[in-house]
Amino acid sequence: AQTIHQWPVAEIKAVGSPLSLGCTIKGKSSPNLYWYWQATGGTLQQLFYSITVGQVESVVQLNLSASRPKDDQFILSTEKLLLSHSGFYLCAWSLGVGGRSYEQYFGPGTRLTVL
Amino acid sequence: GDQVEQSPSALSLHEGTGSALRCNFTTTMRAVQWFQQNSRGSLINLFYLASGTKENGRLKSTFNSKESYSTLHIRDAQLEDSGTYFCAAEIYGSSGNKLIFGIGTLLSVKP
Repeated sequence: AQTIHQWPVAEIKAVGSPLSLGCTIKGKSSPNLYWYWQATGGTLQQLFYSITVGQVESVVQLNLSASRPKDDQFILSTEKLLLSHSGFYLCAWSLGVGGRSYEQYFGPGTRLTVL
Repeated sequence: GDQVEQSPSALSLHEGTGSALRCNFTTTMRAVQWFQQNSRGSLINLFYLASGTKENGRLKSTFNSKESYSTLHIRDAQLEDSGTYFCAAEIYGSSGNKLIFGIGTLLSVKP
């Protein structure tokens, strides 16, 4: 069975400080990976998408960047946090190219508060 | 741009009753997903539909791709059904698979 783990569970950070959020998928090789952001009380917005190691596509620019250093790992980061970065960050996976469907499955999320 | 219009934004049900949520799409899409977000923020997959109707317990969902809408029917609502329900359109485009979410429906089930 596939498992998706996100770390940390929650973060409280100062404006201007760096950030690194992680996501690991186990039990599925070569998945598509995704990052989403959700403002408190709001809907989800897709940020990044990756179909293979080393390749990341940006969907929405929020002064964030993403990287995929390993097949099962997706990292979201920034060098300088803004107040507007506060919210809930979710990682998701789906089958890769050639899969029967692209149904996305979400991790437990990381709650970020920027002060 | 691509749009997903979800209604209602909030819904209150008494236990044992039912209702329907609806999403209208203004874009060409491959499929629709429905999720329940619980109080911890976890997104639970309810349905993935490329067309037609699926049923799972007290939930049923339909995706009409020709008329660009999807519905989620809840019957015999239980307290544990409370939460926020999202529909999401799967767009297959140049930037890869993209999910565009509706605004969500906040469902409150009361005794």
